[in-house]
Amino acid sequence: EDQVTQSPEALRLQEGESSSLNCSYTVSGLRGLFWYRQDPGKGPEFLFTLYSAGEEKEKERLKATLTKKESFLHITAPKPEDSATYLCAARPQGGSEKLVFGKGTKLTVNP
Amino acid sequence: GAGVSQSPSNKVTEKGKDVELRCDPISGHTALYWYRQSLGQGLEFLIYFQGNSAPDKSGLPSDRFSAERTGGSVSTLTIQRTQQEDSAVYLCASSSGTASGNTIYFGEGSWLTVV
Repeated sequence: EDQVTQSPEALRLQEGESSSLNCSYTVSGLRGLFWYRQDPGKGPEFLFTLYSAGEEKEKERLKATLTKKESFLHITAPKPEDSATYLCAARPQGGSEKLVFGKGTKLTVNP
Repeated sequence: GAGVSQSPSNKVTEKGKDVELRCDPISGHTALYWYRQSLGQGLEFLIYFQGNSAPDKSGLPSDRFSAERTGGSVSTLTIQRTQQEDSAVYLCASSSGTASGNTIYFGEGSWLTVV
């Protein structure tokens, strides 16, 4: 069964304290690993798509990396406005276009 | 429109009533998805439409759930005889096609509460 697991469930950081969020996936082939940010009461906002092991993408203080079994979202010198829930999703091989989502990591950055 | 539009944004209904949730995708997007997000749970796939192809209904949890997409644009998700466990946020998303690289954009969701 295709599965995506995110850790930790919640993370509290001080402003400027860098850290990483983990996304482990077991899917039948991988046609893309997606990261989204979700603020309370809002829909998920697209951040990155990664396709192959070794690939990296950056956006402001965020950098996403991919291996054959997991993806990391690195947050460098976070600010309070980075507080949100970060969602990871995998698109498996096969005819369906659906994404399989993890439960998310709730990040809180304190000033 | 500029983004995926969903209505209503909030809906409170009595157990046993039917509800309809509407999604207007990004203009020109041929792919449309419905997901459900329950408290403390990840997003759960419900149904996927792509152009004129038969929809992928593999995620619908029961025959009380159905969805249609008229004219390849607007979609309606219908829940019949609602139950309390149907309370969740129903998220609609769209993308420009089936290529692996197409980004999926989400709406703000319809918050359904069954009392």
